[in-house]
Amino acid sequence: AQSVSQHNHHVILSEAASLELGCNYSYGGTVNLFWYVQYPGQHLQLLLKYFSGDPLVKGIKGFEAEFIKSKFSFNLRKPSVQWSDTAEYFCAVNANGKSTFGDGTTLTVKP
Amino acid sequence: EAGVAQSPRYKIIEKRQSVAFWCNPISGHATLYWYQQILGQGPKLLIQFQNNGVVDDSQLPKDRFSAERLKGVDSTLKIQPAKLEDSAVYLCASSFRLAGAGNEQFFGPGTRLTVL
Repeated sequence: AQSVSQHNHHVILSEAASLELGCNYSYGGTVNLFWYVQYPGQHLQLLLKYFSGDPLVKGIKGFEAEFIKSKFSFNLRKPSVQWSDTAEYFCAVNANGKSTFGDGTTLTVKP
Repeated sequence: EAGVAQSPRYKIIEKRQSVAFWCNPISGHATLYWYQQILGQGPKLLIQFQNNGVVDDSQLPKDRFSAERLKGVDSTLKIQPAKLEDSAVYLCASSFRLAGAGNEQFFGPGTRLTVL
């Protein structure tokens, strides 16, 4: 069965700091990879996705993620965070049409 | 484009009672998902429909949970009888496709269930 591991449960950063959130998955075949974000009081929404092609994908609000197949990883990055990036971030894998989510990372950005 | 609609937004019941949740996906989306999200955890897939057929219900506690998607559009999720451990947010999501390009999921606001 596929699984997703997010290494950091809670990350606290100051504004302008760089961000990297780890995501590793276990599945040997073809996968589609996603990062979703949930801002306080809002729905889960898509941040970015990878399904083929360039392994470096860019999403909304300056976020990007790199798919490294050999490491089964899809880490999320942002060079300079803002207070408005405070949210919960979920990594998700879709394989053979089945979706699995990680347990999420809560990001708190201090102004 | 209208988003995924869910109702009710909040529900408080006592254990052993029954409860039902409703979801209306985005128009044209073939795939509909129900997730259970317990506090501090990620969404856990309960059941997945492709049109009105079940694709995956391997994690649905079938002794107490049931779901249907009549006519391949709206869906209801029912719990009967509820247990304390069913307290969670129940999320509905939909996607255009089951896999590959176009299968990013659009989520509704969720229903927060509290079982006393």
